[in-house]
Amino acid sequence: QVQLVQSGAEVKKPGASVKVSCKASGYTFTSYYIHWVRQAPGQGLEWMGIIYPGGGSTHYAQKFQGRVTMTRDTSTSTVYMEMSSLRSEDTAVYYCARLNFNSGGYYYDPWGQGTLVTVSS
Amino acid sequence: EVVLTQSPGTLSLSPGERATLSCRASQVVSSSHLAWYQQKPGQAPRLLIYGASSRATGIPDRFSGSGSGTDFTLTISRLEPEDFAVYYCQQYGTSPNSFGQGTKLEIK
Repeated sequence: QVQLVQSGAEVKKPGASVKVSCKASGYTFTSYYIHWVRQAPGQGLEWMGIIYPGGGSTHYAQKFQGRVTMTRDTSTSTVYMEMSSLRSEDTAVYYCARLNFNSGGYYYDPWGQGTLVTVSS
Repeated sequence: EVVLTQSPGTLSLSPGERATLSCRASQVVSSSHLAWYQQKPGQAPRLLIYGASSRATGIPDRFSGSGSGTDFTLTISRLEPEDFAVYYCQQYGTSPNSFGQGTKLEIK
C-alpha cells in the first residue's frame, strides 16, 4: 500500500540543525509532489514547502526561506527536510504528505506519521 | 495569501446529532482546491473530503462537503463516538497553501 514513513523524534539545542526523512513506498516515487507541514504543540497545521522528487525542484513558504532545505534521494525513495538555526518556536511535529490530483481536485494523502522535533537548551 | 477562517472554534454536540462546520476564505477558492481533514490526538491528519464535496476512499457517507467561492461546509449527519476530533479545511490553489485554524468537535 501507499505509505510514507518518517524518521524518529529528535531533540536539538537552539542554533542547531535537524534533518527529517520521509521514505515513500507503494507508488512511483518520482511522479508525486511531497509537501511538508508542521504542527506546534496544541496548534494548527502550517504549510512549509514542497519538493518534486522527479526533478528535485522545490518551493518554500516565505517564512522558512533561507532556513529550510528539501532534498530527495531517488535511489531510496526518500525525501528530506532540513531546518537550520533552530529556535524554541520550531518545536513541533513535522509531517510529510503526498499531493494527489484527480478529476475531483487536489489533496494530501497519505501523510507520514509525523516526527517530533524538540528544540531545548 | 488566502486566509481560511473556521467556525465555530469548538462545537459541543452529542452522538447522533448533526454537525455543521464552516470554512470561510478571504478570497475565492476553486472548489477543486478545497479539502477537509480530521485529526485525532497523536495522529496525523486524515483526508475526509477533497474537491469541496468528494468523499475520500473509505470515508462513511455521513460525512459530506459543500460550498463554493469563499464559503465551504463540512456536515456530519449523525455523529458517531469516533467522530469527535479536530477538523481542518485546506486550500491548495493559491501559494502558500493554507489551513484553517481548526474546529474542535467535542462530546457534550
